[in-house]
Amino acid sequence: SQQGEEDPQALSIQEGENATMNCSYKTSINNLQWYRQNSGRGLVHLILIRSNEREKHSGRLRVTLDTSKKSSSLLITASRAADTASYFCATERNFGNEKLTFGTGTRLTIIP
Amino acid sequence: DAMVIQNPRYQVTQFGKPVTLSCSQTLNHNVMYWYQQKSSQAPKLLFHYYDKDFNNEADTPDNFQSRRPNTSFCFLDIRSPGLGDAAMYLCATSSTGGETQYFGPGTRLLVL
Repeated sequence: SQQGEEDPQALSIQEGENATMNCSYKTSINNLQWYRQNSGRGLVHLILIRSNEREKHSGRLRVTLDTSKKSSSLLITASRAADTASYFCATERNFGNEKLTFGTGTRLTIIP
Repeated sequence: DAMVIQNPRYQVTQFGKPVTLSCSQTLNHNVMYWYQQKSSQAPKLLFHYYDKDFNNEADTPDNFQSRRPNTSFCFLDIRSPGLGDAAMYLCATSSTGGETQYFGPGTRLLVL
């Protein structure tokens, strides 16, 4: 299975602190994406990083990608209570493949 | 606003009683996906349509079927639901060659 593994499975931090989540995957990829899922809801796309990129920013989000280690990290700076959710990485194996393989997810809890 | 809509949000069915979940989209995307997500797990792709072309995942049970009568609508049919089919069912869309997937809010299925 190409399913990614995320680390940690659960993370609790104080509001205002930074949160870092890691994702590892098994095969070569075209891109890696991060999604957020609030409890009992659908997934929302956060950010996409291509295989030839090493770092990307979007607002309070910073994503890194290390294709040699087959890993990615998502950093959320200055966390807010509204950031409480599950975060999933997902990989697209080949361009135009149309399919994503999701990681196991990190459950983030922000303590007010 | 362009969106992916799933009805109903909650569905209760009886063991063995066929059930249909629906998904519609106003994004005019070519590709539509059905995922199954069990509690605290990653979304698992069941199948997807590229236009009218149906693509089944190898490990999707025969009990799960799908129909896409037009671009906007896609249905998930569970012919004989078992207790193990209780899960959140997520519909998603993407554009041709697009990489980001847009998810509906999900339908939570309970099997009694």
